[in-house]
Formats: sequence, structure tokens, C-alpha cells
Amino acid sequence: GAVVSQHPSWVICKSGTSVKIECRSLDFQATTMFWYRQFPKQSLMLMATSNEGSKATYEQGVEKDKFLINHASLTLSTLTVTSAHPEDSSFYICSAKSSGHNEQFFGPGTRLTVL
Amino acid sequence: EDQVTQSPEALRLQEGESSSLNCSYTVSGLRGLFWYRQDPGKGPEFLFTLYSAGEEKEKERLKATLTKKESFLHITAPKPEDSATYLCAVQALGDSNYQLIWGAGTKLIIKP
Repeated sequence: GAVVSQHPSWVICKSGTSVKIECRSLDFQATTMFWYRQFPKQSLMLMATSNEGSKATYEQGVEKDKFLINHASLTLSTLTVTSAHPEDSSFYICSAKSSGHNEQFFGPGTRLTVL
Repeated sequence: EDQVTQSPEALRLQEGESSSLNCSYTVSGLRGLFWYRQDPGKGPEFLFTLYSAGEEKEKERLKATLTKKESFLHITAPKPEDSATYLCAVQALGDSNYQLIWGAGTKLIIKP
């Protein structure tokens, strides 16, 4: 139980293009989803928190117009990196949490490389 | 300020050599403390949740314990496949978003 998938697992794009990453909870309803970014040999950095049907709450320093988050259903959240630049290259990981439980369950991550 | 500190940063053990990883925390009311395992290039895998001092949880060669100031992840007779980065995180009471405050992790290497 508590399986979270992400798609794609890796993506390479050109500078200036937009990339969408999907995060799905496969066997539970995710009332809250989280998006993280992780740099090499560093811990997880929370980018934003989204509750189903509501606008995402972004952490300080994260540009909401650049990192668009949509959590339209209880099983799907998307992160769109708009007008990507090489400095956006990173490992992006989502997690999901159901109501009544405190644990976050993580997806396998998406490696984004912007050329 | 809520904070989580893990030690050591890295730990190298021989196969079968038991040891412990430490997670010290300061938080304005603990809702829960979480242990995750992360393999390179993958998302964290949930291991344990601990809620109150004195609580212990076990899974195979791993046992997690909790006091009012710290948690230990004990690994007994480790195998090479236990090599990974172990992450500790806390959740504060009163955080309606249930966000996790993360430690920097301990990289565990088990040599055969």
C-alpha cells in the first residue's frame, strides 16, 4: 500500500521550454501533496504544499509563476516548470499524504536536465 | 526555531557490525518523528513513525527509538543492501499542513 508514482522519471529539455511532471497516488486518496527539490548530496528542500482543490502554498524564495502546481484531484498533482533554465536542473520529488495519517509517501523522483 | 540534526554525516561499517544513527531535534511540540531510507537517484522510502518518548519500532535489522530530545536508529548485523542515506524528519504540532522538518541525513556504507 501507499504507492506514489511520478512521470517522467527523467527529462531533458531546451532552455526556455516548459516541462510538466505528474505525481499520482496509486492506492490511496492524497488530500495533501508536497513538492520537493533535491540537490546532489543535500537533503530535501520543500518547494510547495498543495491541498486538493486549493491553491498551492509556496515556500519562501520559490517563484509561484515559474513552478506551477495543480492538485485537481485526490490522486493527481502536477508541477510545471515554465521557461526552464539550466539552473532549474535538479531532482524533483513529490510526496503524498492522506487525511487521518501523518506520514508522507514519496514518489521515485524526476531528474530534470535543462540544456 | 524547529531543527533536526543528524549524526554522523557518514558511517562505514563492516557487514555484521552493529551501530546506531542519531537524530537530535528541537521542535515546538512534537506531532511525530519519521525515519526514511533513500537510495541514490530515488525518492525516500518510509521506515518508521514515532510519536512519544519511550516508543520503539522494529523492522528487520532496524530498530528506532525515541526520547524527548533525540531518536536513534539502531542497525543490527547490517548487510551490504542496508547501505543508503537515512533521513530523519519531525512534524510539529500546530502545523496544519503537516510539513516535515528534515535532517541532513546519515550516509551508511556497509562493506562486505
